[in-house]
Amino acid sequence: GAGVSQSPSNKVTEKGKDVELRCDPISGHTALYWYRQRLGQGLEFLIYFQGNSAPDKSGLPSDRFSAERTGESVSTLTIQRTQQEDSAVYLCASSSGQGADEQFFGPGTRLTVL
Amino acid sequence: QKEVEQNSGPLSVPEGAIASLNCTYSDRVSQSFFWYRQYSGKSPELIMSIYSNGDKEDGRFTAQLNKASQYVSLLIRDSQPSDSATYLCAVKRSARQLTFGSGTQLTVLP
Repeated sequence: GAGVSQSPSNKVTEKGKDVELRCDPISGHTALYWYRQRLGQGLEFLIYFQGNSAPDKSGLPSDRFSAERTGESVSTLTIQRTQQEDSAVYLCASSSGQGADEQFFGPGTRLTVL
Repeated sequence: QKEVEQNSGPLSVPEGAIASLNCTYSDRVSQSFFWYRQYSGKSPELIMSIYSNGDKEDGRFTAQLNKASQYVSLLIRDSQPSDSATYLCAVKRSARQLTFGSGTQLTVLP
């Protein structure tokens, strides 16, 4: 089946604007994760959804960041009043939510804040 | 101390040699360990997972885990130029999210 998909692949925005990033997980995967990767660095955890449980938001860097997920499907990461330090690749991953629970990544959205 | 540490490299090996990538982690309750490969400009791709002490082999790749030493490694045998990438070590504790090292850049020289 299809892997994790993300859109848009690239987003250029002006400082202060809001942006929405979308993630469509692998069908049947109940767990969904958002990570951020700044240039030349490792991945930073942002938020985790598991089924209908309350999301783990412990990685969100500020209240300008929020995410939603409808059931076990699409998730949207929203960044309000973007800042230049928000420029990064935003990666979404999904996993089965049980057993080995390996995470598989989408292609990412490259966000550039001018 | 970082939660997951890797030598940033770059690590260069000649084609056909064994590449050895190392990772240490700080949290003893860590349960699951993963190696991802990331080509420049691409997203991470899962190549190995390991959960118990010892070695796990998959083709040219061998993952090694030593929980007492809090150490996990990845060996790539018969390295090929196509193996040139950044290798990310990731660790899962009780929570579901992964904690990543900053990656080791590997270059295989033809």
